[in-house]
Amino acid sequence: DTAVSQTPKYLVTQMGNDKSIKCEQNLGHDTMYWYKQDSKKFLKIMFSYNNKELIINETVPNRFSPKSPDKAHLNLHINSLELGDSAVYFCASSQDLAGGHSSYNEQFFGPGTRLTVL
Amino acid sequence: KQEVTQIPAALSVPEGENLVLNCSFTDSAIYNLQWFRQDPGKGLTSLLLIQSSQREQTSGRLNASLDKSSGRSTLYIAASQPGDSATYLCAVRPDSWGKLQFGAGTQVVVTP
Repeated sequence: DTAVSQTPKYLVTQMGNDKSIKCEQNLGHDTMYWYKQDSKKFLKIMFSYNNKELIINETVPNRFSPKSPDKAHLNLHINSLELGDSAVYFCASSQDLAGGHSSYNEQFFGPGTRLTVL
Repeated sequence: KQEVTQIPAALSVPEGENLVLNCSFTDSAIYNLQWFRQDPGKGLTSLLLIQSSQREQTSGRLNASLDKSSGRSTLYIAASQPGDSATYLCAVRPDSWGKLQFGAGTQVVVTP
């Protein structure tokens, strides 16, 4: 069974378009994340949600809007795509309580979505 | 500001040799540290997580140590195999709020 899944795996689109990436986890975790891996393979946090509430927003342009309909899903919507948005986007989850006072907070990652903006 | 560094950036060893991968971080006040492997075109697989109160963690051929005072963690892989070829990433969780700060990774090639 897939623990953290993302769709689509590949996304090729034109500049200026709006697109969404979906993420689902079946681990029963409370916290979900979006990370971006750029062309130099460097991974950086974008957002984190705990029980559908935004807890981390790392200076990401407001063209990026995460949405969490329930704690098992965290989707990423991107408006007005730019060339620089081309990257691999990873979703992750962990079993964290609000405030992070958990003794076990290993993060599990999805397979990634490779976004190419032309 | 926390910075995470992994040296070397790339490493090639013959099969059977032990692997030693280094990770250093600038702020010793961390919540935990996690080691991952990433295969080309794939996601990240969690290998080991060390809480800030622990000195080491072991899983099979893998052993990770943590020395917070010197800002270092080392991942040891015993008796390397070609299947161990991948990029290994170290990530520090600086506080209780969950975000991980990653190093740039060490690309490992194990030759048969």
